Amino acid sequence: DIQMTQSPASLSASLEEIVTITCQASQNIGNWLAWYQQKPGKSPQLLIYGTTSLADGVPSRFSGSRSGTQYSLKISRLQVEDIGIYYCQQASSTPWTFGGGTKLELK
Amino acid sequence: QVQLKESGPGLVQPSQTLSLTCTVSGFSLTSYNVHWVRQPPGKGLEWMGRMRYNGDTSYNSALKSRLSISRDTSKNQVFLKMNSLQTDDTGTYYCTRDLGNGGSWFAYWGQGTLVTVSS
Repeated sequence: DIQMTQSPASLSASLEEIVTITCQASQNIGNWLAWYQQKPGKSPQLLIYGTTSLADGVPSRFSGSRSGTQYSLKISRLQVEDIGIYYCQQASSTPWTFGGGTKLELK
Repeated sequence: QVQLKESGPGLVQPSQTLSLTCTVSGFSLTSYNVHWVRQPPGKGLEWMGRMRYNGDTSYNSALKSRLSISRDTSKNQVFLKMNSLQTDDTGTYYCTRDLGNGGSWFAYWGQGTLVTVSS
């Protein structure tokens, strides 16, 4: 199975700050990577798919990138509504696997 | 609009079988793939298996021996059955639909149903 290692596990940031979360794949997954946001008590929401494509309705302050087998989610100007847990997911080969999550809090 | 809703028992005894139903609307099961994903309390997400648009299934190898996914297209329902439940199967179970552009991107999610395995 492909392992997805997310970092950091938790992150505290201020409003309007730039936030970056990374995900390391254990092998080459190409651009088969997605990011999700989960708010407390809610279902996950797709933010980005195919490494860089923004899902419908997702604000443009979210963006994704890749360098080799390391993937990044960037929030350009943190807003209150961005607080939650973020997960990466690989869709290169089954079983589809998720990173362990990054809990984003307000400083 | 696209909707998915899970239903099933909230409490299952150890060693028993879990049966969940995902009722969908706003799309056809013969056009999109539906997946099951679970989440233990306070933990991360685990993909369990998939019902493809053409009726084929695939499962997480970690669960394959215990898991079965089926569907009834006339009722717009996808079913999950998992046997030999243990306490570490406790969690929220979600059905999700992928985006439909060739990748297994989980674009639509049900509200989830909490399953507790306990005697």
